[in-house]
Amino acid sequence: EVQLVESGGGLVQPGRSLRLSCAASGFRFDDYGMHWFRQVPGKGLDWVAGLNWNSDKIGYADSAKGRFTISRDNDKNSLHLEMTRLRVEDTALYYCARGRWGTTVANHFDKWGQGALVTVSS
Amino acid sequence: EIVLTQSPGTLSLSPGERATLSCRASQSVASNYLAWYQQKPGQAPRLLIYDSSTRAIGIPDRVSGSGSGTDFTLTITRLEPEDFSVYYCQQYGSLPITFGQGTRLE
Repeated sequence: EVQLVESGGGLVQPGRSLRLSCAASGFRFDDYGMHWFRQVPGKGLDWVAGLNWNSDKIGYADSAKGRFTISRDNDKNSLHLEMTRLRVEDTALYYCARGRWGTTVANHFDKWGQGALVTVSS
Repeated sequence: EIVLTQSPGTLSLSPGERATLSCRASQSVASNYLAWYQQKPGQAPRLLIYDSSTRAIGIPDRVSGSGSGTDFTLTITRLEPEDFSVYYCQQYGSLPITFGQGTRLE
């Protein structure tokens, strides 16, 4: 069974950093692109960042560029999102998701984790 | 950036009826790379349709997608109680990946 489990969420002060992780199991991790999304409770879905199977293609939403870094460890079947200079408006539920294609950043997503809540507040 | 506009915002129907949801793009979506997702309260999104009209694994044939260019439609026939939720379209023809604002089917 495919599983994606996010961790690392929590309460953090504005300007501080936080690292999210996503542990993948039940599939060959390095066959797929992986992405991060976020959703303010009760609102819509926003793409944050994504990368292809071997990390040689990476993309970021404008809101993440220069502050967030996505990475993956294919040996450990894990995806990460390093978030720095956090803002109040980064408060959201963060999902990791599997892209059906392995070679591109642009993708559609067939498996999602349950999300990790990030709250940025003083 | 491609902006996706979904309509209506809320669709009120009854079980057994047919739902037609629209997604309009601000510019043509390359290769009709458009997907639809269903999201129920407290759950992650679920892929329904990709490449505009291809059903994802396990999606029943009463769910269908159509369209090309800038106009796309999700149709659900014979509505069942579990269909009443929020639906999002998403384009992956170009970066950044973008979503519509959602249609609530109630």
